[in-house]
Amino acid sequence: NAGVTQTPKFRVLKTGQSMTLLCAQDMNHEYMYWYRQDPGMGLRLIHYSVGEGTTAKGEVPDGYNVSRLKKQNFLLGLESAAPSQTSVYFCASSPWTPTGWSFGPGTRLTVL
Amino acid sequence: QQPVQSPQAVILREGEDAVINCSSSKALYSVHWYRQKHGEAPVFLMILLKGGEQKGHEKISASFNEKKQQSSLYLTASQLSYSGTYFCGPTLNYGQNFVFGPGTRLSVLP
Repeated sequence: NAGVTQTPKFRVLKTGQSMTLLCAQDMNHEYMYWYRQDPGMGLRLIHYSVGEGTTAKGEVPDGYNVSRLKKQNFLLGLESAAPSQTSVYFCASSPWTPTGWSFGPGTRLTVL
Repeated sequence: QQPVQSPQAVILREGEDAVINCSSSKALYSVHWYRQKHGEAPVFLMILLKGGEQKGHEKISASFNEKKQQSSLYLTASQLSYSGTYFCGPTLNYGQNFVFGPGTRLSVLP
């Protein structure tokens, strides 16, 4: 049972490049979330999904797109990266019953 | 509507107690508490549901006053391992996404 995994762990992009971050969970959780965390700051919700094929916007969705084609995977895309998107990105998942979120280890993204 | 956490930071000596508060301007369904150590992912501590239930985890417990839309996290006889940033995450409705509080940085010194 790997829990929540994120790929890649680190990435450096140039301004304007695109990339996709992959989040995978093997706990059969319905809900999945993408957060970003800037240095010394809290967690801000980017997008979330309440089930396969569904997505919704969070607090800071601009510049990001997501897809959840399979229940176990939640993809976060940056179409044209900007330096303001330099951050640590965390994925999380939870079941439909009220319980805590399980977080992935994070992806550290730097946009030059 | 980000919840409010207080204090922003606290420094303790081993064995001392601390209380971290979280409040919301809206009626709550539940409150989650997480701890994040530097360079790591947040780790779930506990969830409190409507009904004012108090839960515990090691020497860490929490309460939830749904009428006041507040939750408090109690850390007793703190240990060095308690150091980190504590986040609360209130939910307004069952299964709804939530917005984390800004965090409370706790430092436990020997």
